[in-house]
Amino acid sequence: QQNVQQSPESLIVPEGARTSLNCTFSDSASQYFWWYRQHSGKAPKALMSIFSNGEKEEGRFTIHLNKASLHFSLHIRDSQPSDSALYLCAVFAGNKLTFGIGTRVLVRP
Amino acid sequence: DPKIIQKPKYLVAVTGSEKILICEQYLGHNAMYWYRQSAKKPLEFMFSYSYQKLMDNQTASSRFQPQSSKKNHLDLQITALKPDDSATYFCASSQDTGGQWDTQYFGPGTRLLVL
Repeated sequence: QQNVQQSPESLIVPEGARTSLNCTFSDSASQYFWWYRQHSGKAPKALMSIFSNGEKEEGRFTIHLNKASLHFSLHIRDSQPSDSALYLCAVFAGNKLTFGIGTRVLVRP
Repeated sequence: DPKIIQKPKYLVAVTGSEKILICEQYLGHNAMYWYRQSAKKPLEFMFSYSYQKLMDNQTASSRFQPQSSKKNHLDLQITALKPDDSATYFCASSQDTGGQWDTQYFGPGTRLLVL
């Protein structure tokens, strides 16, 4: 049974700062790794994914994956108030996505 | 225009009753899913369907029954409702059921409250 954990539980960052979010998983056979963002009262929306070890950058967002450590992370540079949301990591294994409980991010102007 | 429609947006039910949650997707996807999100718990996978066939069922209770009348429809029937069933139920879809490019797109959700 996949166990996906996120840290920290919540985060307050000043506008323009870097936000770093962490996710660990338990199934070493996991194949694909996702970050979703969910604004209050809205549907989760995919931000980006990665499947091989290393780093992937898309705009202000960067994912790092280390499969040996069962860990991946999301970094947001130049954080904006519109980035305030619940960030969900998700791991694809055994034909299903398993989500973490989320990290709530508040970006203060 | 919304690509994934869920109805109703809000639903209040009494304990023991039965409700059907509706989901339609207009993305041309072959795979559809149901998830549940409740307070203090992760977004929880319930079912996956591919080409109208059940692929995975992670719901222990038979009170939850998905129904697929058309390829782009996946409704969720819940019987003998309990207060613990109170949650937001999200429908999602993806092109297929695997692969790194198979982004799952979520509908707006149905918020269910069981009294």
